[in-house]
Amino acid sequence: DAGVIQSPRHEVTEMGQEVTLRCKPISGHNSLFWYRQTMMRGLELLIYFNNNVPIDDSGMPEDRFSAKMPNASFSTLKIQPSEPRDSAVYFCASRETGLRNSPLHFGNGTRLTVT
Amino acid sequence: SQQGEEDPQALSIQEGENATMNCSYKTSINNLQWYRQNSGRGLVHLILIRSNEREKHSGRLRVTLDTSKKSSSLLITASRAADTASYFCATVQGGSEKLVFGKGTKLTVNP
Repeated sequence: DAGVIQSPRHEVTEMGQEVTLRCKPISGHNSLFWYRQTMMRGLELLIYFNNNVPIDDSGMPEDRFSAKMPNASFSTLKIQPSEPRDSAVYFCASRETGLRNSPLHFGNGTRLTVT
Repeated sequence: SQQGEEDPQALSIQEGENATMNCSYKTSINNLQWYRQNSGRGLVHLILIRSNEREKHSGRLRVTLDTSKKSSSLLITASRAADTASYFCATVQGGSEKLVFGKGTKLTVNP
């Protein structure tokens, strides 16, 4: 199993540009989570999906952020327009749905820098 | 709000010593999990302890849970330089599936 795959690993963009982060969860995992990590705020949960349906997006900071999961093997997190304060490492994680005792499996993250 | 808060924020020890990290949380939990993060990588699950358990072992790891004090500790025995990483506790809030992380303890094991 290749684990959770995120792309790109690094993204540098200018303020105002659209950014799209991608995630492929582990096959068979039907829960998918997007987190953002910064030194100041630590790991913040942005949104999570069960069976491709967004369950809780209360952590999405603003309307500039949107996330989709068109099928069980792919999810995107989009920021439009991007701002310097969006600079962070964005992680995707997956686990088996409905099993609260099952661990999260994380990808290696996308480091976003907005200049 | 932060559910889990780790203490200390940073810890530096010599190889072979034991490392203890603590976690406090605010609301009732179903389970508490510990994760490790190496620099530049994603988090990796280490161990899970259920709310009805008091202690759990896995290799050189020992986790305790005190639900009356809303706290947990992670002990790494006979530490190695390769244990250098950040360690996070995480809890599930209420009846949801949201796993909320603390800010972590940065452990440095000096060879």
